[in-house]
Amino acid sequence: NAGVTQTPKFQVLKTGQSMTLQCAQDMNHNSMYWYRQDPGMGLRLIYYSASEGTTDKGEVPNGYNVSRLNKREFSLRLESAAPSQTSVYFCASSEAQHTYYNEQFFGPGTRLTVL
Amino acid sequence: SQQGEEDPQALSIQEGENATMNCSYKTSINNLQWYRQNSGRGLVHLILIRSNEREKHSGRLRVTLDTSKKSSSLLITASRAADTASYFCATNGFQKLVFGTGTRLLVSP
Repeated sequence: NAGVTQTPKFQVLKTGQSMTLQCAQDMNHNSMYWYRQDPGMGLRLIYYSASEGTTDKGEVPNGYNVSRLNKREFSLRLESAAPSQTSVYFCASSEAQHTYYNEQFFGPGTRLTVL
Repeated sequence: SQQGEEDPQALSIQEGENATMNCSYKTSINNLQWYRQNSGRGLVHLILIRSNEREKHSGRLRVTLDTSKKSSSLLITASRAADTASYFCATNGFQKLVFGTGTRLLVSP
C-alpha cells in the first residue's frame, strides 16, 4: 500500500498562474482533506470531503477549489495563485465518515512557492 | 481558529530523558489526538484518547486528558535522538480535526 500520495512534491508559480495539486489514497477511505501548513500556524483545513460526491469548506477556503474525482482522488486547484498561497500543502484521508473517530493519514506534502 | 495550543513551543533534552508537552483547547471535544511530524514530512498519527478516558499508553508514550481543565499532556519516556520532531495535538469535531501549532522537540545524543 502506498497510503496517501501527492503530486507534485515541489512547485514554483508566478502570481496569477493556476495549478492543480493531486492527491490519491489506496486505503479505501471515505473522507479526504486538504491542509496548508505555514510557519508558526500549525495545519489549517482548506477543504474536506466527507464522502465521495461531497465537499465542504474548511477554515481557509478562499482562493481554492476542490474536486472529489472518485473515492480515491481529491484534487486542490489554485485558479489564480497569490504570494499568500506560498505554503506546504498536505492531503490526508480517514476511514470515518459519520463517526467521531477520525485518525488521519497524511501524504508527504507539496511545497508551493508563488512569486 | 486554532483549537489546540501546545506548550512549550520548543523543548531541548538529552537522550534518555523524558519529554513532556502540553496541549490546551477551548471547546468540548469527542477525542484528542497526537501526531508527530519529522522535518519535511507529513504528519503521523501517534495516539488517540477519547473524551471519557483519562490516560492512555502506547509503548514509550503516555497521554493524559483532563476535560475539566481542557488540557492534555504527552509524555515520551527515555527519549531517543529519533524522537526529534514536531508534535501536534488535534481536537476532534464532527468529521474534522483542528490542529495546534505544535511543540518542536530536539533530542541530543
